[in-house]
This record gives sequence, structure tokens and C-alpha cells, in this order.
Amino acid sequence: GENVEQHPSTLSVQEGDSAVIKCTYSDSASNYFPWYKQELGKRPQLIIDIRSNVGEKKDQRIAVTLNKTAKHFSLHITETQPEDSAVYFCAASRSSASKIIFGSGTRLSIRP
Amino acid sequence: DTAVSQTPKYLVTQMGNDKSIKCEQNLGHDTMYWYKQDSKKFLKIMFSYNNKELIINETVPNRFSPKSPDKAHLNLHINSLELGDSAVYFCASSHSAGQMYEQYFGPGTRLTVT
Repeated sequence: GENVEQHPSTLSVQEGDSAVIKCTYSDSASNYFPWYKQELGKRPQLIIDIRSNVGEKKDQRIAVTLNKTAKHFSLHITETQPEDSAVYFCAASRSSASKIIFGSGTRLSIRP
Repeated sequence: DTAVSQTPKYLVTQMGNDKSIKCEQNLGHDTMYWYKQDSKKFLKIMFSYNNKELIINETVPNRFSPKSPDKAHLNLHINSLELGDSAVYFCASSHSAGQMYEQYFGPGTRLTVT
């Protein structure tokens, strides 16, 4: 069945440095790739998404890249700040499907 | 204004009891979901309803029964609670069943079974 693998499971970076989280998906028909951020004790919230007709999307300090051939997509956070500390989930779906498949999450910690 | 709300926020109960969690969304969305998040933070979909019709029923024990009285509400009833049911349960909604829309999550219900 469909599967989304996410790496690493934990990531610690120095404040100000960049963080990269990578995901791979198995369903080649997937065409929508959202990223959710879940702060401690809070609900997951969408931070950025990308559709399969583009290879990259940027929103201030965060960017996503998509390689459809390799079935890889990544989240890039630049100039990390303490408030970036959270669990990040990638996900994949296709418009004809009835559910979204989440990755296993990456716990990002920003060291002061 | 709260977009997706759940009650209760915390639920502590003993094994064998029956409990319900309620969810309501005021976004006018057609589709609602129940997710289970275990201690390792893995988000697993349990059920999905579109306009009160069940469209996803993952391999969830029969002890779990969702009910959608209207498209703004999706409740979850759990019979004969077990220790392994302890988790955070999130309700979510999205614009439609086409899976290219943002999912709006509720605040979660932390269920602890003792």
C-alpha cells in the first residue's frame, strides 16, 4: 500500500543554522505534498504545501522541493529560531484518493 | 473563533469502560476525520466521513464506532476501553474528500486508560 518514509526522526541544529527534513513516497500518482508542524502539546498545523506541477516553493524561511522522478520531497528551514522547535510531518496524497498518508515525524530541536 | 473543537480535552478512565469524544467544525467543510497519535507521535488515520457518509474505515477494532449526525459533527465512541487505547485523538476537517486540501485539526483529546 501507500507509504511515506521520513528522515531523520530527530534533528538538533544550532540556532541560525539550516535544517533539512527528507521524505520519500511510494505512490507514483501522488500529486499533493503538505508539511505540518506540531508544537509541544498542540495540534498539527499546515505550514507549507507543494503540488506536483512545481519543483520548489518558498515562504520566507521555509522552502519545499519536490523530485517526482525520485519520489523525494524535502523541507528546508533557514536561519532557524527557537520557535522552530517542534515535530514536523510530511505527507502525500493524490486528488482521487480519500486519505492523506503522513510520515512518521521529525522532532526538530534548536540549540541556543 | 474555534474552527475545529473537541471535547473533552482530557479523559482518564478505567479499562472496560465506554467513553465518547465529540468533535465539531464551523468551517463549512464536507469532510471530517479521526486520527490517533500514539506516544511516538505517529499520526494514524482511523475514520473519515464525507457529508455524513463513511468513506474511510482503517483497520480499527470494532470497539471504535464513529457517528456523524450532520456534516459539522463527528463523534467517536469507544467500547470496552483497553490500555492500548491510551493516546491523543485528533479530529480534523477539510474542504472536501479530494485530498488536496489543508486539514484543520482540533486541539486533541488525551485519553488515558488505567
